[in-house]
Amino acid sequence: GDSVTQMEGPVTLSEEAFLTINCTYTATGYPSLFWYVQYPGEGLQLLLKATKADDKGSNKGFEATYRKETTSFHLEKGSVQVSDSAVYFCALSDRSGNTGKLIFGQGTTLQVKP
Amino acid sequence: NAGVTQTPKFQVLKTGQSMTLQCAQDMNHNSMYWYRQDPGMGLRLIYYSASEGTTDKGEVPNGYNVSRLNKREFSLRLESAAPSQTSVYFCASSLHRVGEKLFFGSGTQLSVL
Repeated sequence: GDSVTQMEGPVTLSEEAFLTINCTYTATGYPSLFWYVQYPGEGLQLLLKATKADDKGSNKGFEATYRKETTSFHLEKGSVQVSDSAVYFCALSDRSGNTGKLIFGQGTTLQVKP
Repeated sequence: NAGVTQTPKFQVLKTGQSMTLQCAQDMNHNSMYWYRQDPGMGLRLIYYSASEGTTDKGEVPNGYNVSRLNKREFSLRLESAAPSQTSVYFCASSLHRVGEKLFFGSGTQLSVL
């Protein structure tokens, strides 16, 4: 079945460092891809998405490009801030049976130190 | 805007007890979902309701039941709680059936002793 694999965490960075969180997927067909973020004590929020190959999703300085050839959707940010500390989830939409369910990766914890 | 509201926020149960987690959304969304979040395993879908009047099993439905009471409300019931059901539970909703942006509640932290 469809699945999402994220890099193991936690990722610890200093403020203003460059961030990459790797995400690869296995899917039949052409899913949409998402990054969600979970701040401490809160539910998940959509950070960005891409719906087809070569699309780039972007929001709040974060970017991710839908790479069909490598089945990847890596999250990047050029300069992280302490306020970016959170858990980041990569996800894909399960279009089998037209149910619209999201399949999530295991999450990657990011800790940014001042 | 309230969005997705879950109750309760915290709950402690003894093995064998039952309880219902409540979820309501005020965005007129068609689809609603229940996920559980466990360390190192991300979010796993328990049940979902693609539209009012329908419910379907997700990845980990055993030990749970759901009710889509109306378009706004989607409850999750544990009939006989087990320690393996200790988790954080999230309700979510989306406007359309085909996966788009999910809106999440703030979660229910459940401990089963």
